[in-house]
Amino acid sequence: NAGVTQTPKFQVLKTGQSMTLQCAQDMNHEYMSWYRQDPGMGLRLIHYSVGAGITDQGEVPNGYNVSRSTTEDFPLRLLSAAPSQTSVYFCASSYFEGAGSAFFGQGTRLTVV
Amino acid sequence: KNEVEQSPQNLTAQEGEFITINCSYSVGISALHWLQQHPGGGIVSLFMLSSGKKKHGRLIATINIQEKHSSLHITASHPRDSAVYICAPRSGGSNYKLTFGKGTLLTVNP
Repeated sequence: NAGVTQTPKFQVLKTGQSMTLQCAQDMNHEYMSWYRQDPGMGLRLIHYSVGAGITDQGEVPNGYNVSRSTTEDFPLRLLSAAPSQTSVYFCASSYFEGAGSAFFGQGTRLTVV
Repeated sequence: KNEVEQSPQNLTAQEGEFITINCSYSVGISALHWLQQHPGGGIVSLFMLSSGKKKHGRLIATINIQEKHSSLHITASHPRDSAVYICAPRSGGSNYKLTFGKGTLLTVNP
């Protein structure tokens, strides 16, 4: 099925560990983004990409790294996990930024202990 | 920065009731999204509108750009409508940035 595939669904990390959240889409969307969702707050943009080879920072980029080597994939790397990064992470894609139809991954619930 | 307020934060309804969720924002926008987040966490895009009204099945979204306000209505609500509904205004200009509301948790009881 076409859509956004995000893995893993759940992850527990120890402080200081690194990991990569994977995101892939098969709709040939140019725009991909990563959000975090915390209790009592709206989704906040971490990083985004408007096409292969182009990435930029969102509202809360510190502690995260991204790359976009292909149109399909947009991984999010946590360089040295901190408890403040405990959150639910969503990857999303659309034809362009703010497009009418945005597709979201199922989310990754990350706990940093 | 666009301040987005949704009301109510929580809403409980009986099956069949007419539901209204409101969204107001502080800065002029080019369009506004309504999203639905299922209890399992998945997020689905429902509407994007920049003026007037859009209808999809039992869902109706309206927007008044001048008053900086949008509403999402659900007619003949059903327990499967239970979810968090999120509005996300989109900025104008060359950067179509989304700002997300905190969401409205809707519970529809049978």
